[in-house]
Amino acid sequence: DTEVTQTPKHLVMGMTNKKSLKCEQHMGHRAMYWYKQKAKKPPELMFVYSYEKLSINESVPSRFSPECPNSSLLNLHLHALQPEDSALYLCASSQGLRGRRHGYTFGSGTRLTVV
Amino acid sequence: SQELEQSPQSLIVQEGKNLTINCTSSKTLYGLYWYKQKYGEGLIFLMMLQKGGEEKSHEKITAKLDEKKQQSSLHITASQPSHAGIYLCGADHGGSNYKLTFGKGTLLTVNP
Repeated sequence: DTEVTQTPKHLVMGMTNKKSLKCEQHMGHRAMYWYKQKAKKPPELMFVYSYEKLSINESVPSRFSPECPNSSLLNLHLHALQPEDSALYLCASSQGLRGRRHGYTFGSGTRLTVV
Repeated sequence: SQELEQSPQSLIVQEGKNLTINCTSSKTLYGLYWYKQKYGEGLIFLMMLQKGGEEKSHEKITAKLDEKKQQSSLHITASQPSHAGIYLCGADHGGSNYKLTFGKGTLLTVNP
């Protein structure tokens, strides 16, 4: 299995809703990432997990809450989002933190719309 | 200024033509990654370059990292409509920050 699987593919939520994005990989990668990509912009890093511990938070607002329950799973819990949070959310994984052995594998993304 | 400059922003070529996309970094590159993205979809890994002077090829796509490790080029030979999409270069600039910094992307259109 050489994939990163993200669910759901599309999500529409209201500003008062609570929802979660899920990311799963079975490649034995020990580093996992959340990126946010606005339309016609490059992806921007949000969080990095290494060995199931949060290594980096790129000053992301607390309405985004990451969670890594085990080495294969990465969640992003969403609460009280704003319309400007609408974007494509990409999950990635790598064997090590630098991705220098085999690069970074990205999932297909979750297209989030906040109404 | 942008840490990673990618050019051109967009490119329209006729099927069968060769093309080159460039990625220039303002800092030394510890790793340079090329990805392809269809609009609104995930990133497909193309190639990873780490050593100065390194060159890698896969099918009709060749990527190079210059000796000084501050510039990379992606070359497509005999382009096909299936090559159409957004090409992104991603840089590892080292340090304690483990993120990939992406260029703004190149939108490639291949006309049949």
